[in-house]
Amino acid sequence: GAVVSQHPSWVICKSGTSVKIECRSLDFQATTMFWYRQFPKQSLMLMATSNEGSKATYEQGVEKDKFLINHASLTLSTLTVTSAHPEDSSFYICSARDHQTLETQYFGPGTRLLVL
Amino acid sequence: AQKVTQAQTEISVVEKEDVTLDCVYETRDTTYYLFWYKQPPSGELVFLIRRNSFDEQNEISGRYSWNFQKSTSSFNFTITASQVVDSAVYFCALLNFGNEKLTFGTGTRLTIIP
Repeated sequence: GAVVSQHPSWVICKSGTSVKIECRSLDFQATTMFWYRQFPKQSLMLMATSNEGSKATYEQGVEKDKFLINHASLTLSTLTVTSAHPEDSSFYICSARDHQTLETQYFGPGTRLLVL
Repeated sequence: AQKVTQAQTEISVVEKEDVTLDCVYETRDTTYYLFWYKQPPSGELVFLIRRNSFDEQNEISGRYSWNFQKSTSSFNFTITASQVVDSAVYFCALLNFGNEKLTFGTGTRLTIIP
């Protein structure tokens, strides 16, 4: 099956620093990747849709200058949380859509971010 | 607008019992896809099944089975002879044809008691 990896799986940082999270599709090409945020015991909240070679589309209420997304290749998208604050602490999950089977999103294992 | 409702927030059953997780959806589109994902304590969402709106055949995969009924806009998931490893949060999701975004339900937390 399609495999999506995320790195790092855990990150603890000080307030004010920036954190970069990588999302890779390992065995397929993903023209579209998605970034979600999940708070404890809640469902996934879509933050942005990332298309290879173009600017990301952000959901309403998501600050694009705070959550920088780059999708430079068909297998890699990155999310950078700039000037992180404690309220940015969350579980961030990416997914990738296989361009051959456009309907299904495959999810990465997630990244737990703790901002002190 | 589309919506997915998982009315069961939490379910607990004793191991080996059967359990059904309910999913009701709303959409105006005639072509759409329905999904179930499993999220174990580790956090990773595991894809379980995709069903398109034109295929109402029920599906069985081992101990898992899915009942898709367009007449009631439901896509229920049954685990037979549950096991402790089935403990997880299960999400039902909807994707309208031509749309990129998944609409998730709020999830059902399933606990299998040994």
